[in-house]
Amino acid sequence: DQQVKQNSPSLSVQEGRISILNCDYTNSMFDYFLWYKKYPAEGPTFLISISSIKDKNEDGRFTVFLNKSAKHLSLHIVPSQPGDSAVYFCAASAPKSGTYKYIFGTGTRLKVLA
Amino acid sequence: GAGVSQSPSNKVTEKGKDVELRCDPISGHTALYWYRQSLGQGLEFLIYFQGNSAPDKSGLPSDRFSAERTGGSVSTLTIQRTQQEDSAVYLCASSPGSGETQYFGPGTRLLVL
Repeated sequence: DQQVKQNSPSLSVQEGRISILNCDYTNSMFDYFLWYKKYPAEGPTFLISISSIKDKNEDGRFTVFLNKSAKHLSLHIVPSQPGDSAVYFCAASAPKSGTYKYIFGTGTRLKVLA
Repeated sequence: GAGVSQSPSNKVTEKGKDVELRCDPISGHTALYWYRQSLGQGLEFLIYFQGNSAPDKSGLPSDRFSAERTGGSVSTLTIQRTQQEDSAVYLCASSPGSGETQYFGPGTRLLVL
């Protein structure tokens, strides 16, 4: 049972435009969500996180939105740059319940076209 | 400062052999995690260590997999009698404490022939 789903395996966006990556989850116990970026042959790099007490968190060009009622989160990158081309994973955990492991989605490959 | 390091970076082995994968977490991080990523899949949780507490082994796929963490620092993941389906990238992460952001190493690419 896939508790965290990224239904778009790939996304192409023009440089300068907005990239929107989506993630859905099924477990209502999740209360901490993260986005990681992964380049080939490297480990995932932490991008941004959000706690369930918030609905938005912003860090520079990256903003994560959380809709708890829909069990949906999204990552917005604006403006998109060619260096943003990578695989993006969303992850969820339930630290308030004592569950610290991350459950990851299958990733979305973003390609930013120059 | 130094990030999480893993060794070897690549490992090719024959079916049935045992392998050991090593992880050096960020200094001072008390929590350590192992994940694996099979081809075309997301990251799959394997095991989690926090300080001197009993590890969370709920993600280990079979009893051929084991891990230990000596002295609260370096960790070793051991796979006995490797099978072809064990081929994957094995990733280690550490965090300052439980529930804090995890920082990943570059991974060990394991290929079982």
